[in-house]
Amino acid sequence: KQEVTQIPAALSVPEGENLVLNCSFTDSAIYNLQWFRQDPGKGLTSLLLIQSSQREQTSGRLNASLDKSSGRSTLYIAASQPGDSATYLCAVRLYGGSQGNLIFGKGTKLSVKP
Amino acid sequence: NAGVTQTPKFQVLKTGQSMTLQCAQDMNHEYMSWYRQDPGMGLRLIHYSVGAGITDQGEVPNGYNVSRSTTEDFPLRLLSAAPSQTSVYFCASSYSGGGEQFFGPGTRLTVL
Repeated sequence: KQEVTQIPAALSVPEGENLVLNCSFTDSAIYNLQWFRQDPGKGLTSLLLIQSSQREQTSGRLNASLDKSSGRSTLYIAASQPGDSATYLCAVRLYGGSQGNLIFGKGTKLSVKP
Repeated sequence: NAGVTQTPKFQVLKTGQSMTLQCAQDMNHEYMSWYRQDPGMGLRLIHYSVGAGITDQGEVPNGYNVSRSTTEDFPLRLLSAAPSQTSVYFCASSYSGGGEQFFGPGTRLTVL
């Protein structure tokens, strides 16, 4: 059974730091991996989607990488800002009959201090 | 585009009551799904649909029903609410099963 783990569960950094959030998964046979942001009491906002054939995706200050063979993905946030404070979730999508179903990690709660 | 919309935003039910959580999307997405989010458990899939008239069960389907009569709408029905169904419910959609998924703002449900 596919399991997705995000470590650490919480992270606090000063404004301006570059940081890396980690996501690991147990089964490398994934279709793609998606990173989300969730603000308190809100829904999930899609940040980046990486297909299984890709190594990385970039959007603004965000860069996500994927290493299927090792079962890992990282989300790199450059020059962090207080507005980046949120919970970041990664989710993998499997092949097969339930192809569209996402399996989520429990998230990393990021706090960026001014 | 309104994206994925959900109603209501908040709901309080008594044990045994039934209700329907509404979900709609205006992006012409074929794939829609329902998740629940609980502290310490993360998000778990309840039901999903790959197109109008086609639905299937996810990881935690018991106590919930779905139907998909149109591409746009995917309601979730609680048949007889139980306190264990207290949770935040999210609806999601994507153009295809493998495409980027977009989530609604959620419905916070409390069952007393």
